[in-house]
Amino acid sequence: QVTLKESGPVLVKPTETLTLTCTVSGFSLSNARMGVSWIRQPPGKALEWLAHIFSNDEKSYSTSLKSRLTISKDTSESQVVLTMTNMDPVDTATYYCVRIGRLITTVREVNAWLDPWGQGTLVTVSS
Amino acid sequence: QSVLTQPPSASGTPGQRVTISCSGSSSNIGSNTVNWYQQLPGTAPKLLIYNNGQRPSGVPDRFSGSKSGTSGSLAISGLQSEDEADYYCAAWDDSLNGPVFGTGTKVTVL
Repeated sequence: QVTLKESGPVLVKPTETLTLTCTVSGFSLSNARMGVSWIRQPPGKALEWLAHIFSNDEKSYSTSLKSRLTISKDTSESQVVLTMTNMDPVDTATYYCVRIGRLITTVREVNAWLDPWGQGTLVTVSS
Repeated sequence: QSVLTQPPSASGTPGQRVTISCSGSSSNIGSNTVNWYQQLPGTAPKLLIYNNGQRPSGVPDRFSGSKSGTSGSLAISGLQSEDEADYYCAAWDDSLNGPVFGTGTKVTVL
């Protein structure tokens, strides 16, 4: 059974750096075509993709947040870490880590699915 | 910020059919496959449909998906009370090199 679990602070102050850890089980971070994404959801709002890292260490970041995000993985520890600098109250959200799978179909379309999702961790930014 | 556009709400009575649209562009839905996620109240999202119209194991066949051009669509036939949830479409975006999500649709069973 594949599971992912987020851990990190529930409260951070404005301008601080947030560090979130995703611990995975049931699959290896070295599995081909698999990776881990971070997704967030402000209260009552839509989902927003933040970043992902694949088994070959390919990384990608949200354009609007790229300057503030860093993603890394420790395959031996089955962990993926996301750091977000200069936190602001608008960054208050539930942060999810999710396994991402990706392949190219026979007609050269990218099929990328997010499954399963961690339970999420609510991070509040307030002084 | 959401790149894919969905209606904010949809509703139906038990047993009815409800459809949700998802509008994108050539860099996402127009080039890649569409997935759908169901988020029940207070829970994490769950993969509902992948590769435009395929269902993961355990998803009832009353959920179906399709894609045409730069738009995707989710249909729920035989609507049930447990289908009350938020539904999000998503697709890989070639410009972003990552997935983009829809604005979300809240389905209410009347």
